[in-house]
Amino acid sequence: DADVTQTPRNRITKTGKRIMLECSQTKGHDRMYWYRQDPGLGLRLIYYSFDVKDINKGEISDGYSVSRQAQAKFSLSLESAIPNQTALYFCATSDPARAQETQYFGPGTRLLVL
Amino acid sequence: AQTVTQSQPEMSVQEAETVTLSCTYDTSESDYYLFWYKQPPSRQMILVIRQEAYKQQNATENRFSVNFQKAAKSFSLKISDSQLGDAAMYFCAYQSAAQKLVFGQGTRLTINP
Repeated sequence: DADVTQTPRNRITKTGKRIMLECSQTKGHDRMYWYRQDPGLGLRLIYYSFDVKDINKGEISDGYSVSRQAQAKFSLSLESAIPNQTALYFCATSDPARAQETQYFGPGTRLLVL
Repeated sequence: AQTVTQSQPEMSVQEAETVTLSCTYDTSESDYYLFWYKQPPSRQMILVIRQEAYKQQNATENRFSVNFQKAAKSFSLKISDSQLGDAAMYFCAYQSAAQKLVFGQGTRLTINP
């Protein structure tokens, strides 16, 4: 089984709808991240969490919210989706104590907002 | 704020040849990490190689090696004996002590048989 999983893998929604992207990990890492990738660009950080009680905004947090339900689960919500949120979304995890600062990525969720 | 620049949007190489992908970054920090990630058509982000800034020795992973020039803030990736499976987007990334990754724009690598 994959260490970092994301659901759904693909999603089509309409403008104004609320949607949630979920991320789960079995690596036992404390730190989790949400990134967005637009065509022709690298990944950009949306939110990150260093433990269950710690949530931080990243570079492009406007229009997004997150919830860290447990060490293993970190969800990203779009409260009212808009077309320019169409992108590929990645979840990642890390544990500096055990993984030497490396972030491990999930398979990504492709989101299309019509 | 840190920035990462990959000046080569596309590169191509003949199978079995060697190719070098360029990356430069800008930072005022002294302690950081640098990574190369590979993204094949499956879109999975796969770690290729990592380099700690405090280490002078260049990292090597099998056919992949880096040329890390800290003073010049340069971090290039060399792929030796290129294989068809190396075809992918390659992203250079910088990670500060705060653990936030900053990515470059990517280089699309094509392997010609």
